[in-house]
Amino acid sequence: TGVTQSPTHLIKTRGQQVTLSCSPISGHRSVSWYQQTPGQGLQFLFEYFSETQRNKGNFPGRFSGRQFSNSRSEMNVSTLELGDSALYLCASSLEQPGTEAFFGQGTRLTVV
Amino acid sequence: GESVGLHLPTLSVQEGDNSIINCAYSNSASDYFIWYKQESGKGPQFIIDIRSNMDKRQGQRVTVLLNKTVKHLSLQIAATQPGDSAVYFCAERTGGFKTIFGAGTRLFVKA
Repeated sequence: TGVTQSPTHLIKTRGQQVTLSCSPISGHRSVSWYQQTPGQGLQFLFEYFSETQRNKGNFPGRFSGRQFSNSRSEMNVSTLELGDSALYLCASSLEQPGTEAFFGQGTRLTVV
Repeated sequence: GESVGLHLPTLSVQEGDNSIINCAYSNSASDYFIWYKQESGKGPQFIIDIRSNMDKRQGQRVTVLLNKTVKHLSLQIAATQPGDSAVYFCAERTGGFKTIFGAGTRLFVKA
């Protein structure tokens, strides 16, 4: 099975918070998160490996994440803003991020 | 956030012709490069990769060329088919476990 993200679609109100989930391919230990918008393209949020965040993109502290011992990962966005509306993509790979990384279908977040 | 470019160039090719999609990357220290294909409503799909110690790599109908002197990457698709219509992204791994994506190129294949 491939990378699984949930939910697929989500509508939230400004000021709320949201948690998105990603289950990587079995055996993959690296999970990366990206935000995709028409205006900014694909932007790196953060990367986790063995429950540790190894790198972080240039996003505000409202964006956070974590990884569990089974390599599943969640990302959280607090105090949602209209500009957070985007497709959030998760990618998994064996060791290094980007090395034959496989993406999920994404979670489409709409903030109203 | 970090990204490369804000505009989405478009390439239109006739079915059966070869396609060449170009990408300029930003970091001369990048050691690994990947091409992804993204179809509407789907996540990016890995196509082919190349490491910085190589200048060419071939896959099935696809070839990636790397020119480190001018920081340029290209994807060649042979005998382009309608199913190749998608947005193509190049990506570079800059070290520090971070992958940076280009803005993408939209490929239209005319039947």
